[in-house]
Amino acid sequence: DGGITQSPKYLFRKEGQNVTLSCEQNLNHDAMYWYRQDPGQGLRLIYYSQIVNDFQKGDIAEGYSVSREKKESFPLTVTSAQKNPTAFYLCASSIDQGTNEKLFFGSGTQLSVL
Amino acid sequence: SQQGEEDPQALSIQEGENATMNCSYKTSINNLQWYRQNSGRGLVHLILIRSNEREKHSGRLRVTLDTSKKSSSLLITASRAADTASYFCAGGGAAGNKLTFGGGTRVLVKP
Repeated sequence: DGGITQSPKYLFRKEGQNVTLSCEQNLNHDAMYWYRQDPGQGLRLIYYSQIVNDFQKGDIAEGYSVSREKKESFPLTVTSAQKNPTAFYLCASSIDQGTNEKLFFGSGTQLSVL
Repeated sequence: SQQGEEDPQALSIQEGENATMNCSYKTSINNLQWYRQNSGRGLVHLILIRSNEREKHSGRLRVTLDTSKKSSSLLITASRAADTASYFCAGGGAAGNKLTFGGGTRVLVKP
């Protein structure tokens, strides 16, 4: 089955701790994205990547970091600099960012602060 | 970015009724997309309408686009309990622009 897989489903972070959320896709998509969703709200773009070894800041990149060493993988690190990390994090991919069409989403990771 | 704003924020209907929700955006777009999100899950792409199209159908879904008013509507006909979800619009701009989502419309279909 082709798709996009996020793990873990639930994650807890202690004060001052960095945590990494995993996102893997086997759709052979060039573009990948990370969104943050707060309760009852829409999605806000954190980072996106159009090709391997390249990524761009979205609207709320502060306190987050990403890497894109492989086409299939786009992990997101929530650093200790992110003071309000509790949210639902969604990873997505698309054939290419240039066409800006049809995103495929993972099932999300709920991050909470202990 | 092209901000989408959905209206109403919440909608409650009986099974079998139609559900209509609207989306407004601020800047020029190449396409307008609608997504559905079940509680605690990722978004699922429903339908895309291009800026040179005025109406599009897919099964029980009907989408309209009025570029002069910068607005779109999504109609779900003969709703089912399984249609209970949040629905989001997102405007796609020129190549290289980011897809930006609105706050969504929460739809409850009562059996």
